[in-house]
Amino acid sequence: DADVTQTPRNRITKTGKRIMLECSQTKGHDRMYWYRQDPGLGLRLIYYSFDVKDINKGEISDGYSVSRQAQAKFSLSLESAIPNQTALYFCATSDAGDSTDTQYFGPGTRLTVL
Amino acid sequence: AQSVTQLGSHVSVSEGALVLLRCNYSSSVPPYLFWYVQYPNQGLQLLLKYTSAATLVKGINGFEAEFKKSETSFHLTKPSAHMSDAAEYFCAVSDTGGFKTIFGAGTRLFVKA
Repeated sequence: DADVTQTPRNRITKTGKRIMLECSQTKGHDRMYWYRQDPGLGLRLIYYSFDVKDINKGEISDGYSVSRQAQAKFSLSLESAIPNQTALYFCATSDAGDSTDTQYFGPGTRLTVL
Repeated sequence: AQSVTQLGSHVSVSEGALVLLRCNYSSSVPPYLFWYVQYPNQGLQLLLKYTSAATLVKGINGFEAEFKKSETSFHLTKPSAHMSDAAEYFCAVSDTGGFKTIFGAGTRLFVKA
């Protein structure tokens, strides 16, 4: 079984709808991240969490919110989706004891906002 | 502030040819440097990382990268490309505090038969 899982893998929604992307991990890592990937822009950090009570905004947090329900679960919400949020979204984890911050990624969620 | 620049959004090589993907970084503190690979319809996975133990780092699938402080570079190479190497490659940097990793824009590698 995969160490980092994301659901759904694909989602098509309409402008204005609220949607939630979910991430679960079995690696036992404290740190979790949400990124979005756009062609030519690489990965941009949306939110990150170093433990259940520590949540921080990344470089592009506007229009997004997150919830860290447990050490193993980190959800990303789009309160009112808009077309420019169409992208590939990745969840990642890292071990707080690893000073290099090596990250482990889920398979991604492809989101299309019409 | 840290940053990463990958030169060339697309690189095309013939099967059996040398692969060279370029990465330059900027960091105010000694960095950790990474190459991640993304195969189609998959998440990123670690290819190799530099942690100051050795300047030449060997990774999976025959890839290696050399840290050159004077050039602030961490280029990825493979002597002989294989069709299965076709993927997108991301260079990344984190500082020695490990608080945040910055990714480059990615380089898509095409391998021609």
